[in-house]
Amino acid sequence: EIVLTQSPGTLSLSPGERATLSCRASQSVSSSYLAWYQQKPGQAPRLLIYGVSSRATGIPDRFSGSGSGTDFTLTISRLEPEDFAVYYCQQYGSSPLTFGGGTKVEIK
Amino acid sequence: QVQLVQSGAEVKKPGASVKVSCQASGYSFTTYYMHWVRQAPGQGLEWVGVINPSGGTTSYAQKFQGRVTMTTDKSTSTVYMELSSLRSEDTAVYYCARKQVGQPFDYWGQGTLVTVSS
Repeated sequence: EIVLTQSPGTLSLSPGERATLSCRASQSVSSSYLAWYQQKPGQAPRLLIYGVSSRATGIPDRFSGSGSGTDFTLTISRLEPEDFAVYYCQQYGSSPLTFGGGTKVEIK
Repeated sequence: QVQLVQSGAEVKKPGASVKVSCQASGYSFTTYYMHWVRQAPGQGLEWVGVINPSGGTTSYAQKFQGRVTMTTDKSTSTVYMELSSLRSEDTAVYYCARKQVGQPFDYWGQGTLVTVSS
């Protein structure tokens, strides 16, 4: 099983600032099958990024993903008020599918 | 438009079973696998298992083997997840989410809260 470790657990930032979220895998993620989801309270997760760096439909370009192998990053270039949420990385290349523990981006 | 609509909240006693449904619409039902993911209160996301609505084949996470059963009804485009021998640790929101091979979860149900309490 691939274990995904996200850091930091919580990120306290102000609107307009840049957010950098990390996701580290215990072994290489096959075929770059790494995704990022955003979740707000009381809502289902929403797909942001798939294939490490491809934005899902309708996702603004302030969200970007990068990385390879075992180290991946989600960057939000300038935080908007609606971006304060919890973010999860997920690998979907091997079974069982696994998620990271999440990073909460909160307003400073 | 694609929609995954789940059944309502459930309250169960320890040792009981619960069956949650997920009805799909807006796409060809048999062309996407349906997965189930759960989230305990204040916790992260945990994959439970998957069913292929076309042939009914399933694959479950090891920790749920023997307690979970996923089925499908192609006539109503509905998948079901039944979890038995419930314990308090199974209290969570259960989500269905569709996926194709090599693709991420692109649509999710609204979630079903299952509460296990004596």
